[in-house]
Amino acid sequence: DQQVKQNSPSLSVQEGRISILNCDYTNSMFDYFLWYKKYPAEGPTFLISISSIKDKNEDGRFTVFLNKSAKHLSLHIVPSQPGDSAVYFCAASAGTGFQKLVFGTGTRLLVSP
Amino acid sequence: DAMVIQNPRYQVTQFGKPVTLSCSQTLNHNVMYWYQQKSSQAPKLLFHYYDKDFNNEADTPDNFQSRRPNTSFCFLDIRSPGLGDAAMYLCATSLISGHTDTQYFGPGTRLTVL
Repeated sequence: DQQVKQNSPSLSVQEGRISILNCDYTNSMFDYFLWYKKYPAEGPTFLISISSIKDKNEDGRFTVFLNKSAKHLSLHIVPSQPGDSAVYFCAASAGTGFQKLVFGTGTRLLVSP
Repeated sequence: DAMVIQNPRYQVTQFGKPVTLSCSQTLNHNVMYWYQQKSSQAPKLLFHYYDKDFNNEADTPDNFQSRRPNTSFCFLDIRSPGLGDAAMYLCATSLISGHTDTQYFGPGTRLTVL
């Protein structure tokens, strides 16, 4: 059972435009969500996170939106840059103390000049 | 810079020949994880150490073992690699304090099994 889903395997955007990556989850116990960025042949790099007590978190060009009622989160990148081309993974966890991260399958973003 | 280091970055082994992958961290995090990631798939947690306590995922094959001799180092041992074990192996760390559990990943070791 895929508890975290990224239904778009790929996304192409022009430089300067907005990139919107989507993630859906099924487990209502999830209360912490993260986005990771992964370049080929490298490990995932933590990008931004959001707790379920918030509906928005912003860090520079990156903003994550959380819609708890829809069990949906999205990552907005504005403006998109060619260096943002990578695979983006959404992940979620539940509870306090040690929590297992559940990852989505990733969305490959390509930003063209 | 504080970081998670994995060695080697690329490892080639023969079918059935034991292999050890290593991970070290300078973050002083209390939890260390090993993930397996195959192409176009989500990272799959194999096991983790919470301090000295080892926690195996239920579906991790017995072929995979781990050691954490101290806070900074963690090893992944594959006793008899099969062709299906070819993958990227990711080490991650986190500091359990309060609620959040942001995991920080190393660059990974790409394992090829011939």
